[in-house]
Amino acid sequence: DQQVKQNSPSLSVQEGRISILNCDYTNSMFDYFLWYKKYPAEGPTFLISISSIKDKNEDGRFTVFLNKSAKHLSLHIVPSQPGDSAVYFCAARDAGGTSYGKLTFGQGTILTVHP
Amino acid sequence: GAVVSQHPSRVICKSGTSVKIECRSLDFQATTMFWYRQFPKQSLMLMATSNEGSKATYEQGVEKDKFLINHASLTLSTLTVTSAHPEDSSFYICSVPSGGAIYGYTFGSGTRLTVV
Repeated sequence: DQQVKQNSPSLSVQEGRISILNCDYTNSMFDYFLWYKKYPAEGPTFLISISSIKDKNEDGRFTVFLNKSAKHLSLHIVPSQPGDSAVYFCAARDAGGTSYGKLTFGQGTILTVHP
Repeated sequence: GAVVSQHPSRVICKSGTSVKIECRSLDFQATTMFWYRQFPKQSLMLMATSNEGSKATYEQGVEKDKFLINHASLTLSTLTVTSAHPEDSSFYICSVPSGGAIYGYTFGSGTRLTVV
Protein backbone atom coordinates (compact mmCIF):
# COMPACT_ATOMS: atom_id res chain seq x y z
CA ASP A 1 0.00 0.00 0.00
CA GLN A 2 1.71 3.13 -1.27
CA GLN A 3 0.68 5.84 1.20
CA VAL A 4 2.67 8.55 -0.56
CA LYS A 5 2.64 8.69 -4.33
CA GLN A 6 4.49 10.74 -6.87
CA ASN A 7 2.83 9.79 -10.12
CA SER A 8 5.21 11.60 -12.44
CA PRO A 9 8.50 9.71 -12.73
CA SER A 10 10.12 12.61 -14.55
CA LEU A 11 9.69 16.28 -15.42
CA SER A 12 11.59 18.38 -17.95
CA VAL A 13 11.56 22.17 -17.68
CA GLN A 14 13.29 25.06 -19.40
CA GLU A 15 15.60 27.22 -17.32
CA GLY A 16 13.78 30.20 -15.87
CA ARG A 17 10.37 28.58 -16.03
CA ILE A 18 8.39 27.11 -13.16
CA SER A 19 8.78 23.48 -12.07
CA ILE A 20 5.78 21.89 -10.39
CA LEU A 21 6.23 18.58 -8.65
CA ASN A 22 3.18 16.78 -7.34
CA CYS A 23 2.54 14.37 -4.51
CA ASP A 24 -0.57 12.58 -3.24
CA TYR A 25 -1.10 10.79 0.04
CA THR A 26 -3.71 8.59 1.65
CA ASN A 27 -2.97 8.59 5.39
CA SER A 28 -4.90 11.26 7.28
CA MET A 29 -2.56 10.87 10.26
CA PHE A 30 0.36 12.52 8.49
CA ASP A 31 1.12 15.78 10.29
CA TYR A 32 4.10 17.12 8.35
CA PHE A 33 5.11 16.91 4.73
CA LEU A 34 8.66 17.36 3.53
CA TRP A 35 10.43 17.66 0.22
CA TYR A 36 13.92 16.31 -0.34
CA LYS A 37 16.38 16.65 -3.19
CA LYS A 38 18.64 13.72 -3.96
CA TYR A 39 21.58 13.04 -6.25
CA PRO A 40 22.65 9.48 -7.16
CA ALA A 41 24.72 7.71 -4.50
CA GLU A 42 24.06 10.48 -1.98
CA GLY A 43 21.67 10.93 0.89
CA PRO A 44 18.59 13.16 0.48
CA THR A 45 18.92 16.86 1.30
CA PHE A 46 16.06 18.63 3.03
CA LEU A 47 14.42 21.41 1.02
CA ILE A 48 11.21 22.57 2.64
CA SER A 49 8.40 21.30 4.81
CA ILE A 50 4.83 22.18 5.66
CA SER A 51 2.62 21.44 8.60
CA SER A 52 -0.72 19.81 7.95
CA ILE A 53 -2.44 22.82 9.50
CA LYS A 54 -1.07 25.16 6.83
CA ASP A 55 -1.72 25.41 3.13
CA LYS A 56 1.41 27.18 1.96
CA ASN A 57 5.03 27.57 2.94
CA GLU A 58 7.58 29.57 1.02
CA ASP A 59 11.38 29.63 1.17
CA GLY A 60 13.16 31.55 -1.54
CA ARG A 61 12.52 29.91 -4.90
CA PHE A 62 10.69 27.01 -3.28
CA THR A 63 7.03 27.02 -2.33
CA VAL A 64 5.03 24.07 -1.09
CA PHE A 65 1.25 24.02 -1.31
CA LEU A 66 -0.94 21.64 0.65
CA ASN A 67 -4.54 20.79 -0.22
CA LYS A 68 -5.60 18.73 2.74
CA SER A 69 -9.10 17.97 1.46
CA ALA A 70 -7.63 16.52 -1.73
CA LYS A 71 -4.68 14.94 0.13
CA HIS A 72 -2.38 16.57 -2.37
CA LEU A 73 0.71 18.70 -2.14
CA SER A 74 2.96 20.29 -4.68
CA LEU A 75 6.41 21.83 -4.78
CA HIS A 76 6.90 24.89 -6.98
CA ILE A 77 10.38 25.96 -8.00
CA VAL A 78 10.60 29.32 -9.68
CA PRO A 79 12.66 30.26 -11.50
CA SER A 80 14.07 26.83 -12.26
CA GLN A 81 17.84 26.55 -12.64
CA PRO A 82 19.99 23.81 -14.20
CA GLY A 83 21.42 23.13 -10.74
CA ASP A 84 17.95 22.09 -9.63
CA SER A 85 18.21 18.96 -11.77
CA ALA A 86 17.97 16.01 -9.37
CA VAL A 87 15.49 13.52 -7.98
CA TYR A 88 12.86 15.08 -5.74
CA PHE A 89 11.18 13.04 -3.04
CA CYS A 90 8.01 13.90 -1.23
CA ALA A 91 7.87 12.54 2.32
CA ALA A 92 5.18 12.49 4.98
CA ARG A 93 5.56 12.17 8.73
CA ASP A 94 3.35 10.16 11.03
CA ALA A 95 4.30 11.18 14.54
CA GLY A 96 2.45 8.24 16.04
CA GLY A 97 2.57 9.84 19.44
CA THR A 98 6.37 9.93 19.52
CA SER A 99 8.72 12.89 19.51
CA TYR A 100 10.07 11.99 16.10
CA GLY A 101 7.79 10.26 13.66
CA LYS A 102 8.61 7.96 10.79
CA LEU A 103 8.88 9.31 7.28
CA THR A 104 7.14 7.65 4.35
CA PHE A 105 8.59 8.54 0.97
CA GLY A 106 7.09 8.77 -2.47
CA GLN A 107 8.77 7.17 -5.46
CA GLY A 108 10.55 10.31 -6.51
CA THR A 109 10.41 12.55 -9.59
CA ILE A 110 13.44 13.17 -11.75
CA LEU A 111 13.60 16.88 -12.57
CA THR A 112 15.70 18.00 -15.51
CA VAL A 113 16.14 21.72 -16.08
CA HIS A 114 17.46 22.54 -19.52
CA PRO A 115 19.61 25.64 -20.10
CA GLY B 1 20.08 20.29 11.66
CA ALA B 2 22.56 17.61 12.64
CA VAL B 3 25.74 16.66 10.83
CA VAL B 4 25.56 12.97 9.97
CA SER B 5 28.48 10.84 8.88
CA GLN B 6 27.90 7.41 7.35
CA HIS B 7 30.62 4.87 6.58
CA PRO B 8 31.60 3.17 4.43
CA SER B 9 30.24 4.91 1.35
CA ARG B 10 30.76 1.83 -0.76
CA VAL B 11 31.45 -1.80 0.08
CA ILE B 12 31.72 -5.00 -1.91
CA CYS B 13 31.52 -8.28 -0.04
CA LYS B 14 31.25 -11.95 -0.77
CA SER B 15 28.05 -13.92 -0.25
CA GLY B 16 27.80 -15.30 3.23
CA THR B 17 29.88 -12.62 4.90
CA SER B 18 28.64 -9.83 7.17
CA VAL B 19 28.98 -6.11 6.63
CA LYS B 20 28.72 -3.36 9.23
CA ILE B 21 27.58 0.15 8.32
CA GLU B 22 28.09 3.01 10.77
CA CYS B 23 26.00 6.12 11.19
CA ARG B 24 27.36 8.88 13.40
CA SER B 25 25.64 12.02 14.55
CA LEU B 26 28.57 14.40 14.89
CA ASP B 27 26.99 17.35 16.65
CA PHE B 28 23.64 16.14 17.90
CA GLN B 29 22.73 13.59 20.53
CA ALA B 30 20.36 11.26 18.79
CA THR B 31 18.21 8.96 20.88
CA THR B 32 16.57 7.83 17.66
CA MET B 33 17.98 7.09 14.23
CA PHE B 34 16.33 5.62 11.19
CA TRP B 35 17.67 3.16 8.63
CA TYR B 36 16.40 3.19 5.06
CA ARG B 37 17.03 1.10 2.01
CA GLN B 38 16.71 2.25 -1.58
CA PHE B 39 16.57 -0.02 -4.60
CA PRO B 40 17.55 1.46 -7.97
CA LYS B 41 15.07 4.05 -9.20
CA GLN B 42 12.76 3.37 -6.30
CA SER B 43 11.67 5.07 -3.12
CA LEU B 44 13.44 5.03 0.21
CA MET B 45 11.92 2.29 2.34
CA LEU B 46 12.15 2.53 6.10
CA MET B 47 13.74 -0.61 7.49
CA ALA B 48 13.92 0.09 11.21
CA THR B 49 14.02 2.67 13.94
CA SER B 50 17.15 2.55 16.05
CA ASN B 51 16.66 3.43 19.70
CA GLU B 52 19.58 4.34 21.96
CA GLY B 53 20.00 1.82 24.75
CA SER B 54 17.14 -0.42 23.68
CA LYS B 55 16.06 -2.71 20.90
CA ALA B 56 15.41 -1.45 17.43
CA THR B 57 11.89 -1.38 16.02
CA TYR B 58 11.69 -3.12 12.67
CA GLU B 59 9.19 -2.45 9.91
CA GLN B 60 6.98 -5.22 8.67
CA GLY B 61 8.78 -7.61 6.39
CA VAL B 62 12.29 -6.69 7.55
CA GLU B 63 14.21 -9.60 9.05
CA LYS B 64 15.64 -8.50 12.38
CA ASP B 65 18.09 -11.40 12.48
CA LYS B 66 19.47 -10.44 9.10
CA PHE B 67 19.71 -6.71 9.67
CA LEU B 68 21.17 -6.26 13.13
CA ILE B 69 20.95 -2.78 14.56
CA ASN B 70 22.91 -1.51 17.55
CA HIS B 71 22.51 1.96 19.00
CA ALA B 72 24.91 1.87 21.93
CA SER B 73 25.48 5.60 22.28
CA LEU B 74 23.77 8.88 21.50
CA THR B 75 26.06 9.45 18.55
CA LEU B 76 26.42 6.05 16.90
CA SER B 77 24.08 3.53 15.34
CA THR B 78 25.28 0.53 13.34
CA LEU B 79 23.52 -1.68 10.83
CA THR B 80 25.04 -5.11 10.23
CA VAL B 81 23.90 -7.08 7.23
CA THR B 82 24.53 -10.67 8.27
CA SER B 83 25.17 -13.57 5.90
CA ALA B 84 24.78 -11.24 2.96
CA HIS B 85 23.31 -12.45 -0.32
CA PRO B 86 23.23 -10.75 -3.72
CA GLU B 87 19.61 -9.71 -3.15
CA ASP B 88 20.83 -7.62 -0.19
CA SER B 89 22.72 -5.42 -2.63
CA SER B 90 21.21 -1.98 -2.26
CA PHE B 91 21.77 1.59 -1.11
CA TYR B 92 21.44 1.93 2.67
CA ILE B 93 20.90 5.34 4.27
CA CYS B 94 20.64 6.43 7.87
CA SER B 95 18.73 9.44 9.14
CA VAL B 96 18.86 11.50 12.29
CA PRO B 97 15.76 13.43 13.32
CA SER B 98 16.96 16.81 14.50
CA GLY B 99 15.40 20.23 14.69
CA GLY B 100 11.90 18.82 14.49
CA ALA B 101 9.82 18.22 11.39
CA ILE B 102 10.01 21.89 10.44
CA TYR B 103 13.67 21.61 9.59
CA GLY B 104 13.59 18.06 8.40
CA TYR B 105 15.56 15.00 9.20
CA THR B 106 19.25 14.87 8.29
CA PHE B 107 20.41 11.96 6.19
CA GLY B 108 23.78 10.33 5.91
CA SER B 109 25.49 10.11 2.54
CA GLY B 110 24.48 6.48 2.14
CA THR B 111 26.29 3.16 1.66
CA ARG B 112 26.27 1.28 -1.61
CA LEU B 113 26.45 -2.43 -0.76
CA THR B 114 27.25 -4.92 -3.48
CA VAL B 115 27.22 -8.61 -2.62
CA VAL B 116 29.01 -10.84 -5.11
